[in-house]
Amino acid sequence: EAQVTQNPRYLITVTGKKLTVTCSQNMNHEYMSWYRQDPGLGLRQIYYSMNVEVTDKGDVPEGYKVSRKEKRNFPLILESPSPNQTSLYFCASSYGTGMNTEAFFGQGTRLTVV
Amino acid sequence: GQNIDQPTEMTATEGAIVQINCTYQTSGFNGLFWYQQHAGEAPTFLSYNVLDGLEEKGRFSSFLSRSKGYSYLLLKELQMKDSASYLCAVSMNYGGATNKLIFGTGTLLAVQP
Repeated sequence: EAQVTQNPRYLITVTGKKLTVTCSQNMNHEYMSWYRQDPGLGLRQIYYSMNVEVTDKGDVPEGYKVSRKEKRNFPLILESPSPNQTSLYFCASSYGTGMNTEAFFGQGTRLTVV
Repeated sequence: GQNIDQPTEMTATEGAIVQINCTYQTSGFNGLFWYQQHAGEAPTFLSYNVLDGLEEKGRFSSFLSRSKGYSYLLLKELQMKDSASYLCAVSMNYGGATNKLIFGTGTLLAVQP
């Protein structure tokens, strides 16, 4: 089954404790991205990757890091989480970013930083 | 700059028709997507429009007018399971090889019996 898998689904952590949210897709997609979703703000892009070893900042990259060592995996790293990073996070993948290339989303990770 | 507007909430009755509007102001327009998102779940793809006109897919249809920066999603024969948020997203090109997807804040649709 074609899917994007995120882990964990839920996470409560303390300020400053490094964490990683994993994302893996089995569709051989080149393009992957991370979004955060907050009430009243919609989905905002954090980072994206066009292919292996190619990553770039989205609209809200501060406090986040990513890596793309393999095509299927695109982990999101919070080196020193802060309460303002409490949010619902989605990983997404697509064949590219051309016309009519729909994005497939993971199940989401609800992160709470206390 | 870019701006996408859609109503925050809408209510409709089971069996009825509802139209969810989306207006946008962007440069480098490269198509418009509609996604459905149930509470706490991932967004799922509903439709894509890049040319003016109506695209019909079962109970769902999507319309685009590029000159007006306007789209709508039409849901017919509403069912209770259609209660969800509907996200309008515009694909923009900044001149390079990459297009960027910009999301509206979503319209929360409540279907009542």
